[in-house]
Amino acid sequence: GAVVSQHPSWVICKSGTSVKIECRSLDFQATTMFWYRQFPKQSLMLMATSNEGSKATYEQGVEKDKFLINHASLTLSTLTVTSAHPEDSSFYICSARDLIGYTFGSGTRLTVV
Amino acid sequence: EDQVTQSPEALRLQEGESSSLNCSYTVSGLRGLFWYRQDPGKGPEFLFTLYSAGEEKEKERLKATLTKKESFLHITAPKPEDSATYLCAVQGSTGNQFYFGTGTSLTVIP
Repeated sequence: GAVVSQHPSWVICKSGTSVKIECRSLDFQATTMFWYRQFPKQSLMLMATSNEGSKATYEQGVEKDKFLINHASLTLSTLTVTSAHPEDSSFYICSARDLIGYTFGSGTRLTVV
Repeated sequence: EDQVTQSPEALRLQEGESSSLNCSYTVSGLRGLFWYRQDPGKGPEFLFTLYSAGEEKEKERLKATLTKKESFLHITAPKPEDSATYLCAVQGSTGNQFYFGTGTSLTVIP
């Protein structure tokens, strides 16, 4: 089946630094990928839709200058959390549409200290 | 506004004790209803997609059904390894966006 690889699986960074998270579709091409954020014991909240070769579409309330999304190829989307603060600590998950539905990555646990 | 409500929030079952999880939805033009399993610290794992009322799908001890207003995930004779959070999501007619429910945390006790 379709596989979406997300890297890193966890990262700890200092407040004020930037962190990049990668999302790759391993065995299929994904013109559209999605980035979600999940707080403990809560459901997934869509942050943005990443479109290959064009600008990402951000959901209301998501700061586009803070969460930079780049979808430079049909198999790779990246999310960069810029000038990270402790309140950005969360679980970030990407997904991509495949032939049968939507496949999710394994998630990235970001901790900002 | 599109909405997804899952119940119960948490469910504890004895091994072998069958039960059902509910997902009620309100969406304009249902394109698909999706069930996922999520283990702690992991991304959601795809289980089923249902597209129209009356549709049913099965996979091992799980069976998903769909009506015009809700979906059920039936778990028959669960085992401890079925313990996880089960998420329901719907996709409406506008765009690719998913609307997720808050999930049901299932614990199966040996």
